[in-house]
Amino acid sequence: QVQLQESGPGLVKPSQTLSLTCTVSGDSISSGTYSLTWIRQPAGKGLEWIGRIYTSGSTNYNPSLKSRVTISVDTSKNQFSLKLSSVTAADTAVYYCASYSYDRSGYFQSNFWGQGTLVAVSS
Amino acid sequence: QSALTQPRSVSGSPGQSVTISCTGTSSDVGTYNYVSWYQQHPGKAPKLMIYDVSKGPSGVPDRFSGSKSGNTASLTISGLQAEDEADYYCCSYAGSDYVFGTGTKVTVL
Repeated sequence: QVQLQESGPGLVKPSQTLSLTCTVSGDSISSGTYSLTWIRQPAGKGLEWIGRIYTSGSTNYNPSLKSRVTISVDTSKNQFSLKLSSVTAADTAVYYCASYSYDRSGYFQSNFWGQGTLVAVSS
Repeated sequence: QSALTQPRSVSGSPGQSVTISCTGTSSDVGTYNYVSWYQQHPGKAPKLMIYDVSKGPSGVPDRFSGSKSGNTASLTISGLQAEDEADYYCCSYAGSDYVFGTGTKVTVL
């Protein structure tokens, strides 16, 4: 069973950079095709797709966040990370990491999520 | 990139069927067969219920089914059960990124 765990500061000051890491256990992300994704959810609101990185290193970002987001992967540590710069109170949310795996033919295999971590932006 | 439109809430009695709609545009739902549905209970992470419009992941009851027509996708829950009470979100591929729906609260009466 694959498990994901988010980690990082729970409080970030306005204008600073939010940094989170997602550690994957139960499988090696370099053993197959993985889409490693970040999603956030402000309190009482809906889900927002932030972006993803494949284990190959290719990335896709939400156009509305693209100028501030960087997602990277470290296959040696079985981790992937999120950096969101110039944060404001509007970036306060629960941040989830999720993995999507595909077989060699590109067909979906499985999806797992972390439990989520609350990040507040406040001075 | 606007959120996909879902009804705020739907309800049904145990054993009944409910359908949640998810309306997008020709830039997302209308073009790509990559619509997924997630179930989220309060305080929990979302759970994938349907992917690629109508495919169910292993372990998801076949009471959950998905379909698509034009720019609108739908999730149907048949034989509604108490544990189905949750928020449901659709999600569509949009060319290089993904967009979620506004979310629908399903209430079991």
